[in-house]
Formats: sequence, C-alpha cells, structure tokens
Amino acid sequence: RKEVEQDPGPFNVPEGATVAFNCTYSNSASQSFFWYRQDCRKEPKLLMSVYSSGNEDGRFTAQLNRASQYISLLIRDSKLSDSATYLCVVNLPRGSTLGRLYFGRGTQLTVWP
Amino acid sequence: DTAVSQTPKYLVTQMGNDKSIKCEQNLGHDTMYWYKQDSKKFLKIMFSYNNKELIINETVPNRFSPKSPDKAHLNLHINSLELGDSAVYFCASSPRRNTGELFFGEGSRLTVL
Repeated sequence: RKEVEQDPGPFNVPEGATVAFNCTYSNSASQSFFWYRQDCRKEPKLLMSVYSSGNEDGRFTAQLNRASQYISLLIRDSKLSDSATYLCVVNLPRGSTLGRLYFGRGTQLTVWP
Repeated sequence: DTAVSQTPKYLVTQMGNDKSIKCEQNLGHDTMYWYKQDSKKFLKIMFSYNNKELIINETVPNRFSPKSPDKAHLNLHINSLELGDSAVYFCASSPRRNTGELFFGEGSRLTVL
C-alpha cells in the first residue's frame, strides 16, 4: 500500500467552478501535511500547508481529518491559471525516518474557458 | 536570480555511460535533496544532505553517488546508466531538515537510449 493515495483525475472543470481533491495517507503517525502544485514539465512548488483546524488561502481551502487519515483541497472560483497537477504530501514523523516527505502521484486539473 | 539551479536541464545518453548532474542553491539553506520523478509521475526521495552530511539514503542502486562539497551544492553522479534511469531528477533545498517546505530546481530530464 502506498503511503499517499490520490485520485489521479483528470478533473476538467469550467472557469468559476468549485473543485475538490482528496488524498488519504496510510501512516497514522504522520506529522505534517502539504499541498504542492506542479505545472506541466515544471518543478513542484509549495501551495499551502494543511493544519489540523483547516486553513484557507484566498480561493484555496485545505482540510485535515486525522481520524480518517484524509486530506482535502478545495478550489473556489477556478481560474484558467489553476490548471496544474496538485500533489498531496505527507511528512512522516521525526525519529523514525528523519522527516521524509512522501508525495502522492498527483491529481491533474484542467480549467477550461 | 534562480534560487535552486541545476544543470544540465536535458541529458540524452547511451546505456552504460556515466553522467553527472549539478545543483546549487543560493537560499542559504542547510538541507538539500535529490528526488526522482518517473514516467508515472511519482516523486521519490533519493538522498538528503544536511550541512554536507548524508542523512537520508533511500534504496537507490550504488551506481548513484551524491556529493556535497559544501552546503550550497549537491551533485549527483550516475555510473553505468540503464534504460530504467530515464526520469526527471529534481534537486531541492529546505531551510532545515524535517520540514515540508521544499524549494525545487527546474529538473534535469535524463533520457537513456
């Protein structure tokens, strides 16, 4: 079983739509969580951290459910520039693996006009 | 100024050859990484160095040898290249270990013929 599982998509949505991505992780001791964005043939870039209480950054909202080992990313009012692959990332605990990051395969989003 | 730069961006070579990829970061970070992204888009850690000291060495063939002459540089040398080594290799840095905030280089696309 992979450490991080994501629906690869693709998700194709019109501009202005709301879209949500989900991610599950297998290790209940996972310590911290992130969403990265990767444009086609580019490097991954940190989009936002995911906090236990949930957090928002403009049109982006991240949620964490530790009981279900589930992370989500909600994008409101989608823009063409949101088209990218969104990577769910989990940091395993200190002491056991020195803070290895595990990346999901990514969910591909295409926003069309 | 590019924060994390790696060269070359593209590398096409024959099986059996030896090649190197260089990486430099000007962010003053203590920790640097090599990640491999294969054709299925999974991003997997290969190595991590903290202040020139190797701290993570995943199950990578010993044909791959990282070298960190100083904390701003982390190079990757690959001996006896195989077809399965074809991938995009990303260098990254972070201000400290055990953090999810990574800054990636643009990637080096290696094709082994």
